[in-house]
Order: sequence, then structure tokens, then C-alpha cells
Amino acid sequence: NAGVTQTPKFRVLKTGQSMTLLCAQDMNHEYMYWYRQDPGMGLRLIHYSVGEGTTAKGEVPDGYNVSRLKKQNFLLGLESAAPSQTSVYFCASSWDYYEQYFGPGTRLTVT
Amino acid sequence: DQQVKQNSPSLSVQEGRISILNCDYTNSMFDYFLWYKKYPAEGPTFLISISSIKDKNEDGRFTVFLNKSAKHLSLHIVPSQPGDSAVYFCAPPAGSARQLTFGSGTQLTVLP
Repeated sequence: NAGVTQTPKFRVLKTGQSMTLLCAQDMNHEYMYWYRQDPGMGLRLIHYSVGEGTTAKGEVPDGYNVSRLKKQNFLLGLESAAPSQTSVYFCASSWDYYEQYFGPGTRLTVT
Repeated sequence: DQQVKQNSPSLSVQEGRISILNCDYTNSMFDYFLWYKKYPAEGPTFLISISSIKDKNEDGRFTVFLNKSAKHLSLHIVPSQPGDSAVYFCAPPAGSARQLTFGSGTQLTVLP
């Protein structure tokens, strides 16, 4: 039981490049979330999903897209990376309305 | 508009003493509160929670107190241990998917 895993752990992009972050969970959770954390700040919600095939915008969705084609996977895409997207990205999942389980994070640097 | 505020960015305490971490909120619709603990280079992990119908919840060395009239929570850790050194986030769930609203966190350092 791996819990929540994120791929990759680190990535450096140049401005304008694209990439996809993969989140996978093996707990059969319905809810999945993508957050970003910037220095000195708490985590902020980018997008979330309440079930397979559904997605919704969070607090800071601009510049990101997501897809939830399979229940266990939640993908976060950056179509044209910008330096402002340099951050640590966390994926989380939950089966109820309360406790969320987080992955280890992806550290992204955009130069 | 920050709905959840943790006004102390850092706190240092001696091993064995009590650590008190504070959280203030503005949204009276929050009905549940979670505390998460985060070590460097790891994701947050759930620590303890409290429902708005209670004013105290205890789990081992950790106790959370809720003062609804003041819109204030506090997390007490006693006795504090060096392994408790981490960033602590207050995070009430809200919204249609109960997404978490995080405070900015408090870095706790427990000195041996």
C-alpha cells in the first residue's frame, strides 16, 4: 500500500515549456486535490476532483489544467510554464469529507 | 482575504515543556478543523482534528482547543519532543468537496 505517490519528484523547466505531473493513489479514494506551496505560505488549492471524470477549479487555477480519466490517477498539466509557477506541488486524496492524505510533493523550478 | 491565520511564523520551546500553537479564523461556517504536521521535503500528515460541536479533543500528547466565540483554536503539545520539530498547519475543510483552507503555518523547533 503505497498511499499517494507523485511523479516526478523534481523538475526544471524553461519558460514556455509544458509538462504533466502525475498523482496516483491506491486507497480507492473518490476525492483528489492538487495544491501548491510557496515559501512562507500555506498550501493553496489549484484544482480538485470529486470522482472519476470530474474536475473543478480551486483557489489558484490559472495556468493549469487537470484530468481524472481513472479513479486512481489525477494529472496536473502546465501548458506554458512561467516563473510564477515555480513552487512545490502536492497531491492529496480522501475518501470522506475530512482527512486528506498527501503525497511527498514535486519541486518545480521554471527558469 | 485570509480566512485562516497563524500569526506566529515560528516558535521555539525546550524539550519537555509545553508548545502552544495558535490559529484564528474568520469564516463562521467552518464546522471542522484539522491540524497537519509537515517535515521538510515531505507532504503534510494529519495530526488531530476537532468538530465545532466540541471545545476540546485530546490524542496522547496532543490536545486541540476550540473557542468558537473568539474564532480561535490552539494546539497544545506536552511534553514537547525534538521529533515534534516541524511546520504545523491549521486547515479547516470547506466547500463542496471539503477542500482544505490552510493557514500559513508555524515552524515549531523543540530544543534538546
